Amino acid sequence: IQMTQSPSSLSASVGDRVTITCQASQDIKKYLNWYQHKPGKAPELLIYDASSLETGVPSRFSGTGSGTDFTFTISSLQPEDIATYYCQQYDNPLTFGPGTKVDIK
Amino acid sequence: EVQLVESGGGLVQPGGSLRLSCAASGFTLSKYWMTWVRQAPGKGLEWVASIHDNGDERNYVDSVKGRFTISRDNARNSLYLQMNNMRAEDTAVYFCARGKNVPGPWGQGTLVTVSS
Repeated sequence: IQMTQSPSSLSASVGDRVTITCQASQDIKKYLNWYQHKPGKAPELLIYDASSLETGVPSRFSGTGSGTDFTFTISSLQPEDIATYYCQQYDNPLTFGPGTKVDIK
Repeated sequence: EVQLVESGGGLVQPGGSLRLSCAASGFTLSKYWMTWVRQAPGKGLEWVASIHDNGDERNYVDSVKGRFTISRDNARNSLYLQMNNMRAEDTAVYFCARGKNVPGPWGQGTLVTVSS
């Protein structure tokens, strides 16, 4: 299963709403997770099963979608959100999207 | 607090071998699938291998089948990745993570460089 993400990078201002889309090459139901990865750090699970917020993750992060089309949203971008975001499907085998790099404008 | 700490990375020649370790703490390792994921320089994340709680089932990405072996020692709270016949394209930061379908938490990774 191939995963695509768009955009590949974006710049936004603090407080902006940021949206990233992820598309699967075939129906993966809701088998979709979102990760945040900062350079030199451990990737962090933010959203699992397309829309469930991982414990301890700020509520400004959210996810929606099912089937082949998914959306990840940061409702109000914060400086600490600068990172690359990856979608990941687990309909077997496990594959990641190419990532979206998020910067502050 | 869950902690995963990878070690064993380094420089290896093409065709050589390396064994990575992942020390787990803060949870009962024997209750979880475990996974290795890698990130090549300037590239995205790539799943490498996963192993069942008791080691009975192991899955690999096609590019490492026959060369890499994932294993675990629950008594020592450790996960391993034996890498043989290594290639330049195996150069990456290797992360261990708890879980299979929803990996998390992750360690900070260990760098493996395959070069002559």
